[in-house]
Amino acid sequence: DAGVIQSPRHEVTEMGQEVTLRCKPISGHNSLFWYRQTMMRGLELLIYFNNNVPIDDSGMPEDRFSAKMPNASFSTLKIQPSEPRDSAVYFCASSTTPVVIYFGEGSWLTVV
Amino acid sequence: AQSVTQLDSQVPVFEEAPVELRCNYSSSVSVYLFWYVQYPNQGLQLLLKYLSGSTLVKGINGFEAEFNKSQTSFHLRKPSVHISDTAEYFCAVIKFKNTDKLIFGTGTRLQVFP
Repeated sequence: DAGVIQSPRHEVTEMGQEVTLRCKPISGHNSLFWYRQTMMRGLELLIYFNNNVPIDDSGMPEDRFSAKMPNASFSTLKIQPSEPRDSAVYFCASSTTPVVIYFGEGSWLTVV
Repeated sequence: AQSVTQLDSQVPVFEEAPVELRCNYSSSVSVYLFWYVQYPNQGLQLLLKYLSGSTLVKGINGFEAEFNKSQTSFHLRKPSVHISDTAEYFCAVIKFKNTDKLIFGTGTRLQVFP
């Protein structure tokens, strides 16, 4: 199994630019999660989807953040416009049972 | 409300020594419990989980954890650590009725010295 695949692994962008992070969940998994990890706040759940439908987006920090899941094998997390405080590691994760969640390697985002 | 507390932000230990990483949770309902490990510049890997049954759970890399309902704890242990165990360890919980929300503790940095 290929695992959860995220791209890009690393991105450096200037403040105000649009950032798009991509995720391919494990085949057959029906739940997908976006987490953000920072030193200050640790691991935070931003949003999760079940069967491609957003279930809980209460963790999305503000309107600059949006997430989509157009099909069962692809999701995006978009930040527009980006700000330096968005610098973090963004993890995508997926699960098939309701309980065991598998994580990707993360996307390291730096906004300068 | 539900939260996960990892009491130690850092745990330094010498190689081959035993280690315990502490985790306590608070929840008004039953929970599932997990430990994840994060090696430098990598994602999170599931170390072990408690869903039901025996309260002593064995995971990968020689780690084990014990669920203690009365003390609301799920401490992680290893009898003899290796240099390669140096990593960040996260305790996490899921509420029974909300099985899609995995809530993490703040993490414990295990540093193993030769």
